[in-house]
Amino acid sequence: DPKIIQKPKYLVAVTGSEKILICEQYLGHNAMYWYRQSAKKPLEFMFSYSYQKLMDNQTASSRFQPQSSKKNHLDLQITALKPDDSATYFCASSLDWGGQDTQYFGPGTRLLVL
Amino acid sequence: GEQVEQRPPHLSVREGDSAFIICTYTDSATAYFYWYKQEPGAGLQLLMSVFSNVDRKEEQGLTVLLNKKDKQLSLNLTAAHPGDSAVYFCAVKSGGSNYKLTFGKGTLLTVTP
Repeated sequence: DPKIIQKPKYLVAVTGSEKILICEQYLGHNAMYWYRQSAKKPLEFMFSYSYQKLMDNQTASSRFQPQSSKKNHLDLQITALKPDDSATYFCASSLDWGGQDTQYFGPGTRLLVL
Repeated sequence: GEQVEQRPPHLSVREGDSAFIICTYTDSATAYFYWYKQEPGAGLQLLMSVFSNVDRKEEQGLTVLLNKKDKQLSLNLTAAHPGDSAVYFCAVKSGGSNYKLTFGKGTLLTVTP
């Protein structure tokens, strides 16, 4: 059974629209993360949360807003979508934030902005 | 900030041969090291984690070497088979920012029968 669920698997959006990427983990972890993988850049860190609190934000744009309604949920809302936002977005989790705890990744949501 | 260079970007080997991938990182405070595998259309699968107090780790046909003096991390995959074909990523966590992974650009490994 998948332990980290991301929905949807694929997403096509028009420029200027808004989308929400869903992430749920069933590993009992306390920390969750978002990473982005695009054609132009290597996998890059976006956000980290610990016990539903934002710990770090490394995205330059306020158009990206994580939302944590439950400890095992970390959704990503993207507003005013641009073609450059096209990428695969990976959610990850670890037992606790920082240190040696390994991060485990979900299958990703592939976003295409037209 | 931390930077990770991964080589080679592409690697093609025959079934039964070894595949060697190397990463060089910049931050001497880096403490945690990982190798992930990504199959087409899939997420990242953890292969192995290594901490800075370990120089060598072997598991199931994989050998990870950590050379802290030269700031290099390597993965050797022995006796490769076609099912090993995937993109392999190294990732590190620096001591000062030990909550986020910094990734190499990946190595596309193709194993031919």
